[in-house]
Amino acid sequence: QKEVEQNSGPLSVPEGAIASLNCTYSDRGSQSFFWYRQYSGKSPELIMSIYSNGDKEDGRFTAQLNKASQYVSLLIRDSQPSDSATYLCAVNSPNDYKLSFGAGTTVTVRA
Amino acid sequence: GAVVSQHPSWVICKSGTSVKIECRSLDFQATTMFWYRQFPKQSLMLMATSNEGSKATYEQGVEKDKFLINHASLTLSTLTVTSAHPEDSSFYICSAPDAGTGGDGYTFGSGTRLTVV
Repeated sequence: QKEVEQNSGPLSVPEGAIASLNCTYSDRGSQSFFWYRQYSGKSPELIMSIYSNGDKEDGRFTAQLNKASQYVSLLIRDSQPSDSATYLCAVNSPNDYKLSFGAGTTVTVRA
Repeated sequence: GAVVSQHPSWVICKSGTSVKIECRSLDFQATTMFWYRQFPKQSLMLMATSNEGSKATYEQGVEKDKFLINHASLTLSTLTVTSAHPEDSSFYICSAPDAGTGGDGYTFGSGTRLTVV
């Protein structure tokens, strides 16, 4: 079983729509969860971090964490063409600082 | 915020030669540096963890004699790909925990695109 799994893509949404990304993780002791955006040929950039159950909003992005279900999601509202990228879910190991990444979901926002 | 400077951004080398990649923490001390490799259309895979003043720890399946990691100071970690072969062509990225600097987890270098011909 993979440590971090993301919903398979690619995901294509029209401009202005909501893009919904999902991620599950296997280590119940994980405490820190991250969503990164990665453009082709570039390094990942942090979109959102979340540590507590519930929702966390930052602009057009909302992360949701449910530790009981070992599930973390990311919503992108009012999607823009510039949001077209691969989104990586990452989970911190409870015993060290190592990050485990999901395979990524490629999002395309159609103008 | 915390910055990790990674060089070179891209390199082309001949098969059999060695290539060194540097990651420097510019405004914080990185006692730990993670090294990742990313093949096209795949996710980041952790290769090894370097710790200042001690030997690096390698993930399963990563050859420590091929991927030499040195973390000689609190601001510099290097990865040397020795006797590179075309299958080593990949995107290499370093990352350091930055929570102590007010960051929100990890700072990533800009990545190095290695092409072995």
